[in-house]
Amino acid sequence: DAGVIQSPRHEVTEMGQEVTLRCKPISGHNSLFWYRQTMMRGLELLIYFNNNVPIDDSGMPEDRFSAKMPNASFSTLKIQPSEPRDSAVYFCASSFITSGSTGELFFGEGSRLTVL
Amino acid sequence: AQKVTQAQTEISVVEKEDVTLDCVYETRDTTYYLFWYKQPPSGELVFLIRRNSFDEQNEISGRYSWNFQKSTSSFNFTITASQVVDSAVYFCALSEGLRGYSTLTFGKGTMLLVSP
Repeated sequence: DAGVIQSPRHEVTEMGQEVTLRCKPISGHNSLFWYRQTMMRGLELLIYFNNNVPIDDSGMPEDRFSAKMPNASFSTLKIQPSEPRDSAVYFCASSFITSGSTGELFFGEGSRLTVL
Repeated sequence: AQKVTQAQTEISVVEKEDVTLDCVYETRDTTYYLFWYKQPPSGELVFLIRRNSFDEQNEISGRYSWNFQKSTSSFNFTITASQVVDSAVYFCALSEGLRGYSTLTFGKGTMLLVSP
């Protein structure tokens, strides 16, 4: 079975450009998470969706970041305009979560973003 | 607020040595879940184990074992007879489960270097 699929794996862009990261969760999972990993701050949750609805976006750094999940099999994380401090590895993860329980998260391989 | 502390930033051992990775957590919930993830040099995050707060039994899986102690809020991970392939960053994580929609809070990770 395919795992969580992220694209692109690597992205190098210049400050001010728009960046779009994409994620396809595991089929049948009802929750999707976007995490950011940096050396300084470790793994930080940016936003998560349950049944395609954003539940908690308190981790989104600022208005330059936006995330969408138009259907159960696709999500995007967009940064516009990008800044050098956005350089990080962005992970997408999915899970099947029911009320009162937490399943393990299955992570994609990450998208390494470098903003020059 | 929940918090996970991995005090060991980096550990270096020689192959065949046993090594324990420490994890201390904070939570106000009585129902919660603890996880360990492995991040090898290739970058992906690999799920290792999940434990719920009502199950304090230690678990062993091959060379891996986990010691969960609620009295000290710790969930330590031991690798017996370490191997070079165990070299990775290991993350401990906590999720509070009662609210139905819960997310993982990760520790900063412990980098394990196993040399031949």
